Amino acid sequence: GESVGLHLPTLSVQEGDNSIINCAYSNSASDYFIWYKQESGKGPQFIIDIRSNMDKRQGQRVTVLLNKTVKHLSLQIAATQPGDSAVYFCAEKGSGTSYGKLTFGQGTILTVHP
Amino acid sequence: SAVISQKPSRDICQRGTSLTIQCQVDSQVTMMFWYRQQPGQSLTLIATANQGSEATYESGFVIDKFPISRPNLTFSTLTVSNMSPEDSSIYLCSVENNRGSYTFGSGTRLTVV
Repeated sequence: GESVGLHLPTLSVQEGDNSIINCAYSNSASDYFIWYKQESGKGPQFIIDIRSNMDKRQGQRVTVLLNKTVKHLSLQIAATQPGDSAVYFCAEKGSGTSYGKLTFGQGTILTVHP
Repeated sequence: SAVISQKPSRDICQRGTSLTIQCQVDSQVTMMFWYRQQPGQSLTLIATANQGSEATYESGFVIDKFPISRPNLTFSTLTVSNMSPEDSSIYLCSVENNRGSYTFGSGTRLTVV
């Protein structure tokens, strides 16, 4: 089927390694950020979120880091598994007149080799 | 989180025709959002659909091309009108859930020939 990853950056890792996916966001006024995972043929699935009053948040095998100074987000996946292979997007939530609107980053294709 | 049913899941359409995509949510939501994901690219917001008022369109998207209906708090449709091959994309609806994040439908993969 058609791939959504033809023009996206790629990251290849071995099973069991840790993965780090980076994202730059555009609006310094954004106060809420989300990481999504998109598998082929599916819509984006929520992974983890973070608010601007935090710089780190941990979930199950995933950690999100937020650096507001340089407007940078990262997603760390521990002990990466083949099932983690997907496209990963960061998104920032608008405020004010842009409330509720998500602006997505370009995405990264993660491939995990057994 | 809300559960979204989106249909059709995919379609192949002739240029010049129109396709209406449906999005059904299992709970009442104030805002529903429609996104486009062109091949190999990220998601771009088309419009925000509020019940009882006209949809609000983002720059580059117009009502004549992408008319939206929002008859109640659990349902919305997006129509892709007078289609051309450039409209081939995945179209997704989304709603805000009760934790402030957003849930997406599974998408409609549209191919225009």
